[in-house]
Amino acid sequence: EGQLLESGGGLVQPGGSLRLSCAASGFTFSSFAMSWVRQAPGKGLEWVSSVSGSGGSTYYADSVKGRFTISRDNSKKTVYLQVQSLRAEDTAVYYCAKDRAFIAPYYGMDVWGQGTTVTVSS
Amino acid sequence: QSVLTQPPSVSGAPGQRVTISCTGSSSNIGAHYNVHWYQQLPGTTPKLLIFDNTNRPSGVPDRFSGSKSDTSASLAITGLQAEDEADYYCQSYDLSLSGSVFGGGTKLTVL
Repeated sequence: EGQLLESGGGLVQPGGSLRLSCAASGFTFSSFAMSWVRQAPGKGLEWVSSVSGSGGSTYYADSVKGRFTISRDNSKKTVYLQVQSLRAEDTAVYYCAKDRAFIAPYYGMDVWGQGTTVTVSS
Repeated sequence: QSVLTQPPSVSGAPGQRVTISCTGSSSNIGAHYNVHWYQQLPGTTPKLLIFDNTNRPSGVPDRFSGSKSDTSASLAITGLQAEDEADYYCQSYDLSLSGSVFGGGTKLTVL
């Protein structure tokens, strides 16, 4: 079924940057799109970004467009989310998720990581 | 406010049937994009419950079912059990936003 392990979260000042990583195992990584979904404290799920299996197509929520960049390294079975110009409202648990198809973000996400916490505060 | 609208909360007694609605528009559910449902038990990560409107991943009990009509979708849970108490989210694709969207979530309380 697969497993995902996120890392890279932490406490960062407003305007700062982080690179989140998600290491995958247990499935053919390059065959599936990957996504990032976040959840602010006490709030619901918010889709952030997706990347196709090849890495050639990327998608972003309007709230992060121009500030966040998703990428993947299929040789390392890892997906990344570079987060920049961070704001207080970006504070959340960031989940990495495997999409059910090569392209995204249409088909649902069937494997989720445990999440990594990003806190934006001075 | 999410483009997919869910009731903030629903409740039911053990053994009862409850439904959770997910109301969208001609830009998402009404544009024939599939709806997916997730269950998030307290303190855990989301779990895919229903994909492509009506399909259950292996391991999900048949007490959970999904439906879709026009610009809305529903999740039904029959034979309610205490362990069903969780937050439930719908998800679809929105053409106007060119991205995926989640509903605001529904908290299910088993009385």
